[in-house]
Amino acid sequence: GAVVSQHPSRVICKSGTSVKIECRSLDFQATTMFWYRQFPKQSLMLMATSNEGSKATYEQGVEKDKFLINHASLTLSTLTVTSAHPEDSSFYICSASASRVEQYFGPGTRLTVT
Amino acid sequence: EDQVTQSPEALRLQEGESSSLNCSYTVSGLRGLFWYRQDPGKGPEFLFTLYSAGEEKEKERLKATLTKKESFLHITAPKPEDSATYLCAVQAPGAQKLVFGQGTRLTINP
Repeated sequence: GAVVSQHPSRVICKSGTSVKIECRSLDFQATTMFWYRQFPKQSLMLMATSNEGSKATYEQGVEKDKFLINHASLTLSTLTVTSAHPEDSSFYICSASASRVEQYFGPGTRLTVT
Repeated sequence: EDQVTQSPEALRLQEGESSSLNCSYTVSGLRGLFWYRQDPGKGPEFLFTLYSAGEEKEKERLKATLTKKESFLHITAPKPEDSATYLCAVQAPGAQKLVFGQGTRLTINP
């Protein structure tokens, strides 16, 4: 149980374009989803928290107009990186929680912006 | 400010050589302490949640323990497939987000 999927697993896009990443909880309803990014050999950095049906709460320093988060249902959240630039290249990971305690993570999405 | 410090940063063991990973934390109250395992290029895999001092949980060769200031992840007779980065995180009361440590990169040599 507690399976979270992400799609795509890898994406390469050109500078200036937008990319959408999907996060789905497959066998439970996630009242809260989280989006993280991770740089090589570093720990996870929380970008934003989203509760179903509400606007996302962004961490300090994260541009909300650049990283658009939608949590329209209890099983799906999306992260859209708008006008992507090479510095946005990173490993993006989502997590989902039904209980507001344990978080279950997706497999991650490797974004490369050329 | 809530903080989590993991030590050592990296650890190399021989197969069968038991050891412990440390997670020291500073948090105003503790709702939960979490251990995750992360393989390269993958998302973290949930291992344990500990809620109160004195609590212990086990899973195969792993045992997690908790005191009021730190948690230990004991690994007994490890195998090469236990090689991974182990992440510790804490959650404060009333908070949804987790505060992660930097992780311990564990390598088990055959």
